[in-house]
Parts: sequence; C-alpha cells; structure tokens
Amino acid sequence: GQQVMQIPQYQHVQEGEDFTTYCNSSTTLSNIQWYKQRPGGHPVFLIQLVKSGEVKKQKRLTFQFGEAKKNSSLHITATQTTDVGTYFCAGPNAGNNRKLIWGLGTSLAVNP
Amino acid sequence: ETGVTQTPRHLVMGMTNKKSLKCEQHLGHNAMYWYKQSAKKPLELMFVYSLEERVENNSVPSRFSPECPNSSHLFLHLHTLQPEDSALYLCASSVTGAHKAFFGQGTRLTVV
Repeated sequence: GQQVMQIPQYQHVQEGEDFTTYCNSSTTLSNIQWYKQRPGGHPVFLIQLVKSGEVKKQKRLTFQFGEAKKNSSLHITATQTTDVGTYFCAGPNAGNNRKLIWGLGTSLAVNP
Repeated sequence: ETGVTQTPRHLVMGMTNKKSLKCEQHLGHNAMYWYKQSAKKPLELMFVYSLEERVENNSVPSRFSPECPNSSHLFLHLHTLQPEDSALYLCASSVTGAHKAFFGQGTRLTVV
C-alpha cells in the first residue's frame, strides 16, 4: 500500500546547528503537509505544499516539495530549544482523498 | 490555540468498563476524525465523518464505536478494551477531504 517514509527517525543537535528532515512517498502526492508535535502535545499544522518544486519559508523553517511531488524536506536554520518536538509529514491517500497517510515523524532534540 | 476540544484529557479504565471520549470543534468544519497514536507507529486513522456521515472505518475493532450527532461533536464509545488499546486518541477536524487537519489535545487512555 501507499507509504510515507521519514528520515531520520531521531536527531539530536546543539542549539544553533541546522536540522533537516526528509519525507518520501511511494506515490505521487497532490499535496504534502507538515505538522509539529511538541512533547506531551498534539500535532499542529505547519504548512501545505501543492506545486511541484515549491519552496516556502516560515522564519527559520524552509519547506520544499520535490519536482516529482514524491518527496519533501523541512530545514530548520540555527535551531532553538523551542524547536524541540516531532515533525510529521502527511499526504493524501492516492485512492481516497479523505485520508491522510502519515510518516512516522522525526523527533528533534536540541541541547542548549 | 485549539478550536478542537477533547475530554477527558486522561482516562484509566478497566477491561470491563464502558467509557466515552468527547470531541467538539468550533471551526465550522464539516469533517471530523478519530486517530490513534501509539509509540513508534504512524498516526492511525480510525474513523472519518463527513457531513455527519461515517465515510471511513479502517478495520477498527467493534469495541470502538463512533458517534457523530452533528457537525460539531464527535464521540468515541469504548467497551471491553484490551491493554494494547492504551494510546493517545486524537480528534481532528477539517474542511472535507484531506485538507489541513486541526487536532484536539488528545485523550491519554490507559487500559488496565
């Protein structure tokens, strides 16, 4: 079945270092969404990418959607302790657009 | 921040108990979802309601029974659960389709 893979599963960085997580889908996606879940919290929507090759920025966060619309990345510049959490990507199910297929997430830990 | 409210936040129940989880959204959305989040597993979609009609039931055991009396409220009725059902249960809402989802804070369920 359709799968969304995320790497790495865990990342531990020093505050100020950059961080990147990658998302790869087994099928072409109509869009890809990114969410952040703080420890003990719930997933919070960050952004949605729709166009092939799209790049969007939110302050220190840069999101990219691949040309083939099968992969995406989230890059954080100069991490801060407030960036700690798990970052999930999700995309619509190819055969049923009522469903989102979720990656396992990348858990980011930041040492102050 | 959240326009999606879940109660209770924490629940401990025995395997013979019956309990219900409640979700309420104030965002004017017309689709609501139940997700199960277990450690080291992707978010598992359990049920989808669109315009108060159940449109998705992902092979969830019958000991979980959803109810959607109107577009703002969603319940998950629980009975004779198993210890492996212990997890974080998340409610979400969205405009119909796999558009960005807004999550509630979740119910942390422990079955003893």
